[in-house]
Amino acid sequence: DTGVSQDPRHKITKRGQNVTFRCDPISEHNRLYWYRQTLGQGPEFLTYFQNEAQLEKSRLLSDRFSAERPKGSFSTLEIQRTEQGDSAMYLCASSLVRGSSGANVLTFGAGSRLTVL
Amino acid sequence: AQKVTQAQTEISVVEKEDVTLDCVYETRDTTYYLFWYKQPPSGELVFLIRRNSFDEQNEISGRYSWNFQKSTSSFNFTITASQVVDSAVYFCALSEVDTGRRALTFGSGTRLQVQP
Repeated sequence: DTGVSQDPRHKITKRGQNVTFRCDPISEHNRLYWYRQTLGQGPEFLTYFQNEAQLEKSRLLSDRFSAERPKGSFSTLEIQRTEQGDSAMYLCASSLVRGSSGANVLTFGAGSRLTVL
Repeated sequence: AQKVTQAQTEISVVEKEDVTLDCVYETRDTTYYLFWYKQPPSGELVFLIRRNSFDEQNEISGRYSWNFQKSTSSFNFTITASQVVDSAVYFCALSEVDTGRRALTFGSGTRLQVQP
């Protein structure tokens, strides 16, 4: 396994269009996280999955954002009716969490950079 | 609410100089983890170290060392004899354990430029 893969790496779209990003986590990892990173800032948490269950989505930026992980493997992040303010790097990370304690070390993908014109 | 502050936006040093990146955090959790990640120009965040809240021992790994001081809520990162390849953005992050999410809260990062 070569790590977390994200596709596409770059996406340029016009305002109002829908975009979808895909993330393939490390196969044995049960957690998957989506983050957004804007220029000069640290990554900002959006949502996460434990296997196929989306356990938190309150941090998704608006109802135009949705994420799925249908079979507990890959995940998609969709942004509908894109706006210029959505331009950012969208990062996916995965981890293996056992039990209720211990460090949760996230392995990140290289990100999908979105530019909305 | 959790917060991580990296007050140094950008640092520039000359190769072989030592450099310390500061990190101050806030949390109400009694159990937490602190992390450092490196983001080179390629964009992929690379894990460097984690430290739990009960372990205040400093750690050294090659040219890298970390100083965790709970009394000042700081987790600073020192690179000794810096090299051009160390040029990157470095992020400090905090993970709560008491809630199930255990996502990382990141600081805004410190951009390190090492000049030859």
